[in-house]
Amino acid sequence: DAGITQSPRHKVTETGTPVTLRCHQTENHRYMYWYRQDPGHGLRLIHYSYGVKDTDKGEVSDGYSVSRSKTEDFLLTLESATSSQTSVYFCAISEMGATEAFFGQGTRLTVV
Amino acid sequence: KQEVTQIPAALSVPEGENLVLNCSFTDSAIYNLQWFRQDPGKGLTSLLLIQSSQREQTSGRLNASLDKSSGRSTLYIAASQPGDSATYLCAVVDQAGTALIFGKGTTLSVSS
Repeated sequence: DAGITQSPRHKVTETGTPVTLRCHQTENHRYMYWYRQDPGHGLRLIHYSYGVKDTDKGEVSDGYSVSRSKTEDFLLTLESATSSQTSVYFCAISEMGATEAFFGQGTRLTVV
Repeated sequence: KQEVTQIPAALSVPEGENLVLNCSFTDSAIYNLQWFRQDPGKGLTSLLLIQSSQREQTSGRLNASLDKSSGRSTLYIAASQPGDSATYLCAVVDQAGTALIFGKGTTLSVSS
């Protein structure tokens, strides 16, 4: 199994509070991604990173920000959580953009 | 915009059957296609990666084919087992070669 750890695995938070999800990898892969998975929508890309301090937006980036200060860590921040951000969030890594991707176990976030 | 479709959305078969899962994509300019398996409440497990220059890949009882010109891929599962019950996801790497674009998956149930 690829060395990807997401934390926390479960979180319940209140509307309007900031939330940060962490993805840690031990594979030294260049690319890291954040996806959300919702019934009826499947997996959608939020943000991705192609190197330290290099990030770009995905399909559903509104309301989210990311940071990558080290190769191994990719943080996803919800500045002010809303109920529409209740979802399961997955981190993924790949050595290069078009190589095999590996996923973490997911973080289930509930915004009440 | 690339769109990925998987048909059927759900499939139930008796143990021992050979079966085919279908994936189609609208833009043939892909870098690769990847098949994943997802068990309930779990992350995604990579099954097979087919590069755009390849026609098929095999791993054990699984065989995936790719026809770029027609925008189709199939995942063939031989001699299905109850342990194969899961959701199977197809994803393509977009033209920029940066991130996976997913279909909504086929949920497979194999009964003993």
